[in-house]
Amino acid sequence: ETGVTQTPRHLVMGMTNKKSLKCEQHLGHNAMYWYKQSAKKPLELMFVYNFKEQTENNSVPSRFSPECPNSSHLFLHLHTLQPEDSALYLCASSQEVGVGNQPQHFGDGTRLSIL
Amino acid sequence: KNQVEQSPQSLIILEGKNCTLQCNYTVSPFSNLRWYKQDTGRGPVSLTIMTFSENTKSNGRYTATLDADTKQSSLHITASQLSDSASYICVVRSNNAGNMLTFGGGTRLMVKP
Repeated sequence: ETGVTQTPRHLVMGMTNKKSLKCEQHLGHNAMYWYKQSAKKPLELMFVYNFKEQTENNSVPSRFSPECPNSSHLFLHLHTLQPEDSALYLCASSQEVGVGNQPQHFGDGTRLSIL
Repeated sequence: KNQVEQSPQSLIILEGKNCTLQCNYTVSPFSNLRWYKQDTGRGPVSLTIMTFSENTKSNGRYTATLDADTKQSSLHITASQLSDSASYICVVRSNNAGNMLTFGGGTRLMVKP
């Protein structure tokens, strides 16, 4: 149990589908993150939310739309994705953005496959 | 440009043997360096964190070193076990306004019986 729960664990969708990834943390953290992890590439930061406010969008295409209704929940809405979007999507949380040496706690990810 | 390079990309060792993973970085200004372990199908889990003034830090059979002058870190695994099979990711935080994290590409370690 990592304290950060992601659902679903696996998702297969067509390019015209709309789906959402969900992340929930029970650690009392105020910052949440979405990362993309592709094979043989470093983790890529996508979005950062601090106290429910988006503080970073790392030039992510608009077909990815994040939503953070409260500090415990984070969503990633997907629509009209491309095959190259197939990857492991990791959610993470931390106490606050950029606070000292606090680690980011990661969920186990959603393995996304685009047909 | 901030970069983190890890070597080797992959490594196979026999159970019970030791190994050392390398991390070189160009991140500046430096804040801290963290090693994560990522098991297959799981998210990364923090192993150790090194700040500027720390040279060595241990977590069980894992020992991390940091040379801030040469901007190098290593992760030494002693008496490897099958459960050590995983990817090991080096992450460096910069001490700038955004406190940005730069991730290495990871070393995939396989421990064989």
